Amino acid sequence: SQQGEEDPQALSIQEGENATMNCSYKTSINNLQWYRQNSGRGLVHLILIRSNEREKHSGRLRVTLDTSKKSSSLLITASRAADTASYFCATASSGNTPLVFGKGTRLSVIA
Amino acid sequence: DTGVSQNPRHKITKRGQNVTFRCDPISEHNRLYWYRQTLGQGPEFLTYFQNEAQLEKSRLLSDRFSAERPKGSFSTLEIQRTEQGDSAMYLCASRSMTGANEQYFGPGTRLTVT
Repeated sequence: SQQGEEDPQALSIQEGENATMNCSYKTSINNLQWYRQNSGRGLVHLILIRSNEREKHSGRLRVTLDTSKKSSSLLITASRAADTASYFCATASSGNTPLVFGKGTRLSVIA
Repeated sequence: DTGVSQNPRHKITKRGQNVTFRCDPISEHNRLYWYRQTLGQGPEFLTYFQNEAQLEKSRLLSDRFSAERPKGSFSTLEIQRTEQGDSAMYLCASRSMTGANEQYFGPGTRLTVT
């Protein structure tokens, strides 16, 4: 079963624009993580935000977490063609439990 | 390169055959996870190990699926009597017990059952 639900399912933007993806989840969490997956490849960890954090930045990435709404967003600023990939949120109910992934958002950045 | 490796990268097999996949985690990582991913979906957790101990296996899809990590290093995932519905990408990930629980994924093994 999948806990997270990303929105939108697919997103197409021009290079240089910002991309925002949202994730909603159902049960309480210890942390939420975002991963990127290029077509046919493994996943790459992007950023982790703990349940007591509200916002986190890493380079061109900004993640927010609203535990009252059980939702998170991932913002990629100044997108590049190389950002084209699927993006997944994953939740963990504790620091040691396996991750539960959503279905992902497919991002296409057009040069 | 000291990332997670998986072999083979692709496997085509006929229905009813057994297949085995191998995962070599990052060497200092003592947690190892197996996931299955079908087209258009996120990874679905199957099982995981801490060192050689299998801590969760109730999510394995059926009794045809089994996994081992005999010496706490590499792991194998076996599917017996494969079915067409087993066609998917099988992903392995590892993590360290220190720090946050981000996982490091291998490139996956794509299984096609004909």
